[in-house]
Formats: sequence, structure tokens, C-alpha cells
Amino acid sequence: GAVVSQHPSRVICKSGTSVKIECRSLDFQATTMFWYRQFPKQSLMLMATSNEGSKATYEQGVEKDKFLINHASLTLSTLTVTSAHPEDSSFYICSAAGEGRTEAFFGQGTRLTVV
Amino acid sequence: DAKTTQPPSMDCAEGRAANLPCNHSTISGNEYVYWYRQIHSQGPQYIIHGLKNNETNEMASLIITEDRKSSTLILPHATLRDTAVYYCIVRPRGGATNKLIFGTGTLLAVQP
Repeated sequence: GAVVSQHPSRVICKSGTSVKIECRSLDFQATTMFWYRQFPKQSLMLMATSNEGSKATYEQGVEKDKFLINHASLTLSTLTVTSAHPEDSSFYICSAAGEGRTEAFFGQGTRLTVV
Repeated sequence: DAKTTQPPSMDCAEGRAANLPCNHSTISGNEYVYWYRQIHSQGPQYIIHGLKNNETNEMASLIITEDRKSSTLILPHATLRDTAVYYCIVRPRGGATNKLIFGTGTLLAVQP
């Protein structure tokens, strides 16, 4: 299957700072990328959908000014958690999809801990 | 809302077939059934998908009932590495750029 790489895999930051998570599709052009959040023992919750070159579409209840998404190229999308607080601590996962493909591929996830 | 219902957990003996059921009684004609799995602390992994015919690949088989209201994912010879949460998802036709909405899934525990 295709390869989607997330970086970093783990990050610890102080409350009030911002953290950027990168998602790269390594061997195909990802016209669409999805960002999910997963709390312990829960399922994945879709946060937003981003299409290359346009603004992201956020799911209901997700603050767009807090979770900034940029999808400036067909191989890279970034999620920035601004002014992070302990309640933002979670497992963040990206997924990439391309035109003509029948399935989406997921990154390995980023464990964010805000202290 | 997720449009599928799965048992929260199942056990399977190593080397035996694991049969994971999924109910999707409200599936519409343009929706596919997808299966993904998530091993602890990793991103989900695609397994298989189908519309109405049974499908098989190197990982698993997917059996869809004739009325399409339910399906079963079959892992023919489960190993300890197959222990994971398995998600059954219905998604409209239109390719991978349509979003995946995850339900609660089934935690499959393969026992030695």
C-alpha cells in the first residue's frame, strides 16, 4: 500500500504553546487529506478535511482557529494546534487520499501531550 | 453518526479463522463497505472493501449478504499480530476522497 508519514510521532509541549504536525504522502499525490483525533479507549473522530490549495472543511464542534490546517501541496498537509492546553492531549492521525484511488492511507499518528 | 453496528469485542484462538460481523441495515445503493484495523497506538490499516460481491485479498475475505444489510470479515488463520480493533465503515461511491467516519469497532483478541 501507499506510504503516509507523520512527524513527529510524539511531542510534549507546554501549555499555551503551539505545535505543528506534518503529514506527508510519500509515493502518491494526495488531493485530499483528513485529520482525526483519538482519545484513549475511544474511536477516531474526524476533525477536518483538506483539499490541496483550498481551505479546510471542519467538522461540527471543531474550532478552526485552534486547529489550523494547511494543505499547500499534493504531498504535504500540516495541523497546528495553537495555544495548546492539557485537554488537547490526544493521538492525532492523518489520512491521505488521491484521485483514482479506492482507499485512503493513514499515517502512524502523533501522540501529543500538553503539560 | 456511524452507520454500522459491531460487537465490542471478540476472542479467537491463534491459527483459527476469525469471523467479524458487521450490521449495516441502512446502507444505500451507492455505498461501499470498508474494513480497516488499528493496532494499538498505530494509525488504521486498510484491509478490504466491497459493494455487493464477496471479495478476497491477501489479508482477508469479505462476505456481504445478498440484501447488503450485513457483512462478515474473515481472517482465515488468525495470528497474535492480528490483535487489533477492526472497524467496519460504509462510505459512498466516489473514491477515497470521501471521508471515513469511524464507529466503535470490534476489539479482536487472538489468544495463543
